Amino acid sequence: NAGVMQNPRHLVRRRGQEARLRCSPMKGHSHVYWYRQLPEEGLKFMVYLQKENIIDESGMPKERFSAEFPKEGPSILRIQQVVRGDSAAYFCASSPDSRNEQFFGPGTRLTVL
Amino acid sequence: KQEVTQIPAALSVPEGENLVLNCSFTDSAIYNLQWFRQDPGKGLTSLLLIQSSQREQTSGRLNASLDKSSGRSTLYIAASQPGDSATYLCAARSNDYKLSFGAGTTVTVRA
Repeated sequence: NAGVMQNPRHLVRRRGQEARLRCSPMKGHSHVYWYRQLPEEGLKFMVYLQKENIIDESGMPKERFSAEFPKEGPSILRIQQVVRGDSAAYFCASSPDSRNEQFFGPGTRLTVL
Repeated sequence: KQEVTQIPAALSVPEGENLVLNCSFTDSAIYNLQWFRQDPGKGLTSLLLIQSSQREQTSGRLNASLDKSSGRSTLYIAASQPGDSATYLCAARSNDYKLSFGAGTTVTVRA
């Protein structure tokens, strides 16, 4: 049973470009969570999604950031017009329901030049 | 809002010494508390998960305690080894689904 998959593992973008981060949950998991780890800081909750629904996006910046989890395919975290302050590690976690343990992927490290 | 603090931020010990890592949280109404290990540039490895009804969990050389009333958890690592060098994160889960993480304690075990 493969774990949570994230790709790409490393992503380099220039200021103003778009970044798309993908997360494939563990088999049988329909709940996905995104967290961001800024340099020298702890992970911060960004958004919680179930298939085709955003349940809680209270931790996500209001502008430039969006997330989706379509019926088919991975969850996508999209950052438009990236700025240097978006440079961070973005982790995805999944669980079979909202009460169970969250299992984390290896993360995507975004560097904005 | 849950706030999680880890002290110290960094720790250096000689091989063989026992490690004591501290985690404090402000809201005692937690669902569980989890300890993770993170190696540089890598993902999170779950070490121990303590449910709110439990006082401690053990796995090999690792033991984690939980005191909800005082808002504290402690991770003990016995007989440290150079391979234990990493950053250790604690995360408190409130009675919803959000994990609130501390900034971590970076451990260096000197051979």
